[in-house]
This record gives sequence, C-alpha cells and structure tokens, in this order.
Amino acid sequence: GAGVSQSPSNKVTEKGKDVELRCDPISGHTALYWYRQRLGQGLEFLIYFQGNSAPDKSGLPSDRFSAERTGESVSTLTIQRTQQEDSAVYLCASSFSGGAVGEQFFGPGTRLTVL
Amino acid sequence: GQQVMQIPQYQHVQEGEDFTTYCNSSTTLSNIQWYKQRPGGHPVFLIQLVKSGEVKKQKRLTFQFGEAKKNSSLHITATQTTDVGTYFCAAQGAGGTSYGKLTFGQGTILTVHP
Repeated sequence: GAGVSQSPSNKVTEKGKDVELRCDPISGHTALYWYRQRLGQGLEFLIYFQGNSAPDKSGLPSDRFSAERTGESVSTLTIQRTQQEDSAVYLCASSFSGGAVGEQFFGPGTRLTVL
Repeated sequence: GQQVMQIPQYQHVQEGEDFTTYCNSSTTLSNIQWYKQRPGGHPVFLIQLVKSGEVKKQKRLTFQFGEAKKNSSLHITATQTTDVGTYFCAAQGAGGTSYGKLTFGQGTILTVHP
C-alpha cells in the first residue's frame, strides 16, 4: 500500500513569502506528526494531531507557523513570512493511533530553502 | 519539557567492529523507539521497547531498555558498510503533556570504513 507522501519535495522561496507544505498520511492512521530537521541535526517536534485535533502545539517555533488537518487525513503546515532560519527539511509521520505512540511512518520530507 | 540525551554524536568504526549508542532521559519513559536514517533518507522504524529491562535482538542489533525505564542502548555487532546512517532514539513520556508524542534524541552518526 501507499506510504506517507509529502508535497512539494523541494520548495525554494524568498524571504517574507508564505509557504504551504502538504502531508498525506497512511490511510487509517489517526495520528499525524510534523517535525523539522535542520542539516545534520536531529528531529525537532513541531505539532501532532490525533484525528483532526492538535493536543500538543508546543513545538511550533513562532506564531508564523500553523497547521491543520481535515477529514482525519491530509494535513498542511503553513509558514507565513518565511525567514532564512526556516530553511530545513520538514518531515511528516503518521501512526495507527495516538496516545500510546506506536511505530511512526515517515514521509520523504519537504526540503525548504528560504533565500 | 521532555529531554532525551543521546551519545555519542559521531562514531567512526572499521568494518567488523562493534558499535553502541546510548540514550538517557531525566524522567521515566512509557516506551522508547529506535529509528535509522540513511544519508539523504527519512527515519525508518527499527524497534519499540516497552517493558523495564527489556532486551530485543534483530540479527546483529541488540536493543536494551533500562530497569528504571530512563535509558536505552542500541548495540551493533560486527558492523557492515550497510549499517551507515544516523541512529535516533525516540522516547514517549509516561504522562502529562509528553504523552502522545515522541521526543527524539539528537542521533548518533555512524560511519563504517571498509
């Protein structure tokens, strides 16, 4: 079956522009996670959804970052007024259920470059 | 918030040598997972440990969860060039706001010289 997909795979934008990143989780997975990974660094938790609700938004770096999920499926991560420090790979993962976290399946990521 | 320390940051070994990476938490964990990320790739799940003192093996890989459920280790016996990558531990807290999400360690980058 299909895995987690993300689009676009690469995004180059100018400082100050808004960007929208998309994640399609594995069908039937109720939990969805967004992470940021800077070059050579670990995974930085941003937000997770259980169904369409986000119990934990504590990882969002600033109010320029927002995310939503609809239909317990697709999620979008929006970054407004992008800054150069936003440049990173944004990874999405899904798992069968939240609560007790099981195996997370990662998408290939979106590489964001802010010029 | 939940913090997970992982050491070492880098490990260079000759093919055939053993490798170990360690993960430590200041708080008791519900469970811990291990992931491998190949260069240019995304993290791939290896295993999950849930029980105190649990030991699991996958071929040349041995995973341990501490008795106090605050630390874990991954040991690779007789490394091969295919083991190259970054190994991450990912911890789920025992309750409160840390429940329901994973906190990743910074990862250990393993290079294997043939």
